[in-house]
Amino acid sequence: DTGVSQDPRHKITKRGQNVTFRCDPISEHNRLYWYRQTLGQGPEFLTYFQNEAQLEKSRLLSDRFSAERPKGSFSTLEIQRTEQGDSAMYLCASSQDRGGVETQYFGPGTRLLVL
Amino acid sequence: TQLLEQSPQFLSIQEGENLTVYCNSSSVFSSLQWYRQEPGEGPVLLVTVVTGGEVKKLKRLTFQFGDARKDSSLHITAAQPGDTGLYLCAGAQEYSSASKIIFGSGTRLSIRP
Repeated sequence: DTGVSQDPRHKITKRGQNVTFRCDPISEHNRLYWYRQTLGQGPEFLTYFQNEAQLEKSRLLSDRFSAERPKGSFSTLEIQRTEQGDSAMYLCASSQDRGGVETQYFGPGTRLLVL
Repeated sequence: TQLLEQSPQFLSIQEGENLTVYCNSSSVFSSLQWYRQEPGEGPVLLVTVVTGGEVKKLKRLTFQFGDARKDSSLHITAAQPGDTGLYLCAGAQEYSSASKIIFGSGTRLSIRP
């Protein structure tokens, strides 16, 4: 399978705990994105990487959120001191920057529930 | 603020009927994509349209990009239960940064057998 994969698919945690999600992009893709999607809404951009460099962060990404892509391959998204409002689907997408039309391919997502 | 408005928000129709869903904005987009998302899964890309007035067909699905590249429509002919899902449009502006790829809130489609 050469698609985008995410792990875990589901996470239930208690308020105040830290959680970490992993995303493995399509292997030849140099761009990796994180989105958050709440019920009834489309995905909202959180941050993106070009290779290992984190180039943009949304204002949605509070200081409790941190993302890394240490070797320009897989990425992790960590949420510290989770809050109930963090409950959402966290989606990862990857793309190849060829200077033209960019197409993002999404993973299956990690559904987070904070109790 | 750029917004992509999708209509209708919800649509439930009988198998075999035709339907059209819309994606509208006041902004011009260099490209627009349609995705379908099933519950508990990530969005799956259906099509990318780039040129104003462009029409693309994917089996029973017909996608059109508006002449001014501000809007798009998705028409499904003879809908089937397998078409059920959340249909999302996403637009990118020319020379936009990644954060400028905007998603609509989707049309939730239900096809009754």
